[in-house]
Amino acid sequence: DSGVTQTPKHLITATGQRVTLRCSPRSGDLSVYWYQQSLDQGLQFLIHYYNGEERAKGNILERFSAQQFPDLHSELNLSSLELGDSALYFCASSVGGLENEQFFGPGTRLTVL
Amino acid sequence: ELKVEQNPLFLSMQEGKNYTIYCNYSTTSDRLYWYRQDPGKSLESLFVLLSNGAVKQEGRLMASLDTKARLSTLHITAAVHDLSATYFCAVAPSNDYKLSFGAGTTVTVRA
Repeated sequence: DSGVTQTPKHLITATGQRVTLRCSPRSGDLSVYWYQQSLDQGLQFLIHYYNGEERAKGNILERFSAQQFPDLHSELNLSSLELGDSALYFCASSVGGLENEQFFGPGTRLTVL
Repeated sequence: ELKVEQNPLFLSMQEGKNYTIYCNYSTTSDRLYWYRQDPGKSLESLFVLLSNGAVKQEGRLMASLDTKARLSTLHITAAVHDLSATYFCAVAPSNDYKLSFGAGTTVTVRA
């Protein structure tokens, strides 16, 4: 158990819908990262937040947005869902520093029908 | 764009033998990571390698980094069934924390 929690574990929804994925980082970690894992694209970085501020964006679609709240938990919002958005979404957290080891949560499996 | 290539993508290992997974990356990097993922599970951090010549070992796994060659290796000694999993290397470019992952190496250890 990495100490990173994510909810829900599974999400099944229809095309065109909107969902919110939630992540709580390890105690003391200020950085939260979101990654998407799919069979065709592999593991892809989406976005990084540090202490409430966006720090970096990857190949995140405009239909996707995220935020980090004052209590450091983060939410990833996915809207106008398409079949191709079906994937595992991981949240990771880190304390920063030279190593910046990222610890991954259990993931949310999103299925868009 | 930082590219990370792993090979082989699939590795069938015989118990008791030694094997190596290779990870090449395309640009200067300060940090290289190895992760393990069991089917349907999350990623477990194995090693963080920071400097040229860095070597870390944990049990039957040993990772090394050659920043000049932009190459990291994950060496498996005397493979056992419990090591069956997918292994990913990931690289963080200099002055950035986002990880770029390789495609993963799926390891199956047979008796």
